[in-house]
Amino acid sequence: GAGVSQSPSNKVTEKGKDVELRCDPISGHTALYWYRQSLGQGLEFLIYFQGNSAPDKSGLPSDRFSAERTGGSVSTLTIQRTQQEDSAVYLCASSLDGARNQPQHFGDGTRLSIL
Amino acid sequence: DQQVKQNSPSLSVQEGRISILNCDYTNSMFDYFLWYKKYPAEGPTFLISISSIKDKNEDGRFTVFLNKSAKHLSLHIVPSQPGDSAVYFCAASAAHSARQLTFGSGTQLTVLP
Repeated sequence: GAGVSQSPSNKVTEKGKDVELRCDPISGHTALYWYRQSLGQGLEFLIYFQGNSAPDKSGLPSDRFSAERTGGSVSTLTIQRTQQEDSAVYLCASSLDGARNQPQHFGDGTRLSIL
Repeated sequence: DQQVKQNSPSLSVQEGRISILNCDYTNSMFDYFLWYKKYPAEGPTFLISISSIKDKNEDGRFTVFLNKSAKHLSLHIVPSQPGDSAVYFCAASAAHSARQLTFGSGTQLTVLP
C-alpha cells in the first residue's frame, strides 16, 4: 500500500497478557518510529529505528516494552505482562531517511485496551 | 513536565475567517518545529514545519510563525474551511535528539459553516 499500515486496528486483552503490534512502513523508508497516545495527551516517543543502526530505545517506559525491526522493514512492538496504564493508541511512523526535513508519515494506529 | 504546551484544548472559527492555533515550549534546545493535523481514527498528517533560523514559513493557506525569545509558535489558517476541522498537534525536536519529536496535547479546531 501507499501508506504506513498498522495491525491490528483494535486490540482488547486482559491484564497480564502479552501483546504484539505490527507496523509496515512505507516502502523505501529507512526510518521507523513508534509513539503512543494516551487519552487526552500528545504523542509520546517510544523508539526509533534507522537502517541497520542500533535503535534509539530511550522512550520505552519500562522493560516490559520491546520492539524489533526485521529486514529493515516490518516492525513489531511487544508489550509483556500488560497493565491497565498501557491502554493507549500506539502509532507507528516512517520517514525516508530520518533527516529532520523529512516528515514522519503516520499509520492509523492500534487502539489497545487492557481490561 | 510538559515541554510543549497547547493551552487551548479547543477552538471554534467561522468559515472564511482566520484560525490561530498557539503553542508554547520550555526547552531552549528545541530548534525545529512542526504542525500535524489529525482526523478521528486516523494517524497525524504533517502540515508544515519551521527551523529556528526562520521566524515564518508559509505554505498555501497555512503559515507558521516562530517567536524564539518568547518560546512561542503559532499556526495561522486563512481562510478556514470546514474540512480543516481536526485536532492540531504542535511538535518540536532538538538537534541532539533530532529523531524524537515532543508533541503538545493538541487543539481541536472546529470550523463552522
